Amino acid sequence: DAKTTQPNSMESNEEEPVHLPCNHSTISGTDYIHWYRQLPSQGPEYVIHGLTSNVNNRMASLAIAEDRKSSTLILHRATLRDAAVYYCILRDDTGNQFYFGTGTSLTVIP
Amino acid sequence: DTEVTQTPKHLVMGMTNKKSLKCEQHMGHRAMYWYKQKAKKPPELMFVYSYEKLSINESVPSRFSPECPNSSLLNLHLHALQPEDSALYLCASSQDLARLYEQYFGPGTRLTVT
Repeated sequence: DAKTTQPNSMESNEEEPVHLPCNHSTISGTDYIHWYRQLPSQGPEYVIHGLTSNVNNRMASLAIAEDRKSSTLILHRATLRDAAVYYCILRDDTGNQFYFGTGTSLTVIP
Repeated sequence: DTEVTQTPKHLVMGMTNKKSLKCEQHMGHRAMYWYKQKAKKPPELMFVYSYEKLSINESVPSRFSPECPNSSLLNLHLHALQPEDSALYLCASSQDLARLYEQYFGPGTRLTVT
């Protein structure tokens, strides 16, 4: 199983950018990188995903290293509502693997 | 409508009871999932259905029995559970199993086994 490694926790000041790292050194060439977040007392919520190129959507940006062994989720301006656990997940070619790592708990300081 | 609904929100059951959790989506998704999440831990995949057929069973004990009666509904039948089965049970769906599709999660059912 392709695994991911993330820091247990991070802090950010409100209105500042946040860079959440993820290492996935055993990624295979066709694995997609997905990011989800889970707000307190809610189910996980899709944030963004990508394969090789950097991706942007209304919620965040995803920067993928050239060798694909790491990626970074970028929240451009953290708000208090962004406080959550952020999970970096790899999905393989069959689509069958969907294993959450331990995730990063993001605290946003007002 | 991008919503996955789960009922009930909370469930308390004894070890000899039989109960069912229900999950519903109307997005036309053909893959549906059950996860179990213990407090302060990540979700753990239990079952995956693809086109109404069981695709993955992650070695889950037989006291958990999934059912997919149609493409919009997913049930999880519970029987003779143990107190350690108390957890948040999450349902999710995606367009299909392809790796590029995101999953949509429901809010979960908080289960307590007494």
